[in-house]
Amino acid sequence: DTAVSQTPKYLVTQMGNDKSIKCEQNLGHDTMYWYKQDSKKFLKIMFSYNNKELIINETVPNRFSPKSPDKAHLNLHINSLELGDSAVYFCASSQDRDSSGANVLTFGAGSRLTVL
Amino acid sequence: GDSVTQMEGPVTLSEEAFLTINCTYTATGYPSLFWYVQYPGEGLQLLLKATKADDKGSNKGFEATYRKETTSFHLEKGSVQVSDSAVYFCALSDPGSNYQLIWGAGTKLIIKP
Repeated sequence: DTAVSQTPKYLVTQMGNDKSIKCEQNLGHDTMYWYKQDSKKFLKIMFSYNNKELIINETVPNRFSPKSPDKAHLNLHINSLELGDSAVYFCASSQDRDSSGANVLTFGAGSRLTVL
Repeated sequence: GDSVTQMEGPVTLSEEAFLTINCTYTATGYPSLFWYVQYPGEGLQLLLKATKADDKGSNKGFEATYRKETTSFHLEKGSVQVSDSAVYFCALSDPGSNYQLIWGAGTKLIIKP
């Protein structure tokens, strides 16, 4: 059973299009995240939801809109795609803090978006 | 604000060599420290963690010790294998920053047979 699953794994599209990436977790976690990883592997947090409520909304163009229909799902919709949006997008989840007090994230396998 | 600094990669070693990847941090509170690993084509996964000073995290032959006096959490392994080739990320979670994870830039490790 995949703990955090994202679809699609690969997405190739033209500039100006609108696309969505879906994420689901079956871990019962309360918090979900979207991260962007660029070609140099640098990780940047985009959004975080806790029990369907937005708690982190970093400086991200408003063309990016997250949606959390329930606490097991966090989808990412991107409007008017630009070349610079090409990256790998990772979904992750966490159960706030584990028994040792640490905030441990479980990541999906990533969705590679290529904008032509 | 909080930050994590890792040594730049790529780090290239021969199989069975000793590995050290340096990580230092700045934090306002008493953070938990983590190493995550990203194998090619995969998502990140937790490698090890330490939640207080002098704790040693260990997993799969890797170790890191939480050094408060030097604000460091260096990753070590005594004998690396080709299968250890990956990108390694150091991170911290600070209660003073609502436990938000702060990430290092990642260090790519290449192990040659």
